[in-house]
Amino acid sequence: DSGVTQTPKHLITATGQRVTLRCSPRSGDLSVYWYQQSLDQGLQFLIQYYNGEERAKGNILERFSAQQFPDLHSELNLSSLELGDSALYFCASSPWGEPDTQYFGPGTRLTVL
Amino acid sequence: AQSVTQLDSHVSVSEGTPVLLRCNYSSSYSPSLFWYVQHPNKGLQLLLKYTSAATLVKGINGFEAEFKKSETSFHLTKPSAHMSDAAEYFCVVRLMYSSASKIIFGSGTRLSIRP
Repeated sequence: DSGVTQTPKHLITATGQRVTLRCSPRSGDLSVYWYQQSLDQGLQFLIQYYNGEERAKGNILERFSAQQFPDLHSELNLSSLELGDSALYFCASSPWGEPDTQYFGPGTRLTVL
Repeated sequence: AQSVTQLDSHVSVSEGTPVLLRCNYSSSYSPSLFWYVQHPNKGLQLLLKYTSAATLVKGINGFEAEFKKSETSFHLTKPSAHMSDAAEYFCVVRLMYSSASKIIFGSGTRLSIRP
């Protein structure tokens, strides 16, 4: 158990819908990262937040957005969902001063029908 | 362009024999390099990392990797495979720019262990 929690574990929804994935980092970790893992695209870094502010951006679509709240939990919002958005979405957190050590959550499996 | 290439999509070895998972990177900058392991239906776990210190890096579970700048490689090895090593392994490069960073994952290598 990494100490990073993600909810929900599974999510099934329809095309065009909007969903919110939630992540709670390890206690004391200020950085949160979001990743997408799909069969055709592999693992991709989406976005990083540090203490509430966006720090780095990867291959995140404009339909997707994220934020980190004062209590350091983070949410990833996916809108206008398409079939191709079906994937495992991972959240990770890292300790202050150790950006290269990331602890991953168990993931949220999103299925878009 | 910066990238990371895992040369084998699937490696199968017998239990007790050595493991070699190959990774090459392409970067104009000095990268940080990592190996992660993902067991079925689990999140990723950091095995080891190279961040411009010693070129031979020791990780958890008996794994190690050597950074070879001349070959732009960061291959993962283990002297003796165990059944519990069966998993997907990802080589990852992190590139630091002046005000941001970029993280690139390899396509993964599935390691199978034969009894």
